[in-house]
Amino acid sequence: QKEVEQDPGPLSVPEGAIVSLNCTYSNSAFQYFMWYRQYSRKGPELLMYTYSSGNKEDGRFTAQVDKSSKYISLFIRDSQPSDSATYLCAVMDSSYKLIFGSGTRLLVRP
Amino acid sequence: DGGITQSPKYLFRKEGQNVTLSCEQNLNHDAMYWYRQDPGQGLRLIYYSQIVNDFQKGDIAEGYSVSREKKESFPLTVTSAQKNPTAFYLCASSIGGGGNQPQHFGDGTRLSIL
Repeated sequence: QKEVEQDPGPLSVPEGAIVSLNCTYSNSAFQYFMWYRQYSRKGPELLMYTYSSGNKEDGRFTAQVDKSSKYISLFIRDSQPSDSATYLCAVMDSSYKLIFGSGTRLLVRP
Repeated sequence: DGGITQSPKYLFRKEGQNVTLSCEQNLNHDAMYWYRQDPGQGLRLIYYSQIVNDFQKGDIAEGYSVSREKKESFPLTVTSAQKNPTAFYLCASSIGGGGNQPQHFGDGTRLSIL
């Protein structure tokens, strides 16, 4: 079993839709959780960073962590074609190394 | 502008050849990292360095080598011992190696075999 599981997609939605991206992880000791956005042929860009369970909002993006279920989510409101990218979740292990999911490709259709 | 610069963007390697990928940061970050990304897979850690003149192996260090002689520079050498080097290589840095320090990435080098 992979330590971080993420549906590869692709996920195709119309412009303006609410997008839900999800990851599960296996180790309850993980404490730091991140979402990165990666455009084609570019490096990942940090979108959201959370430490504890609950929600964190930044503009159209909301990150949610449920430690009891070992489940993390990223919600994108009012999705735009410019949001089309691959979204990577990542967790930080006890030695502060990042473990990444395989990424979900998102396509927002105009 | 502050950031992480990787060069070159594209690199080709011949059989038996060592190649070196450059990573420079002007963010004054202590920690630097090298990852490999293959299609449909997440990033895998090759090497990391939390301080100058010190570095540790990541999960897939075999066939790679690094040095950290300056705070701002962390070059990665892909040696001929790495039998499957074709991948997208990403360099990252963070203020320190602690849990509350997220990593920021450069725009990568794509390495291919000739």
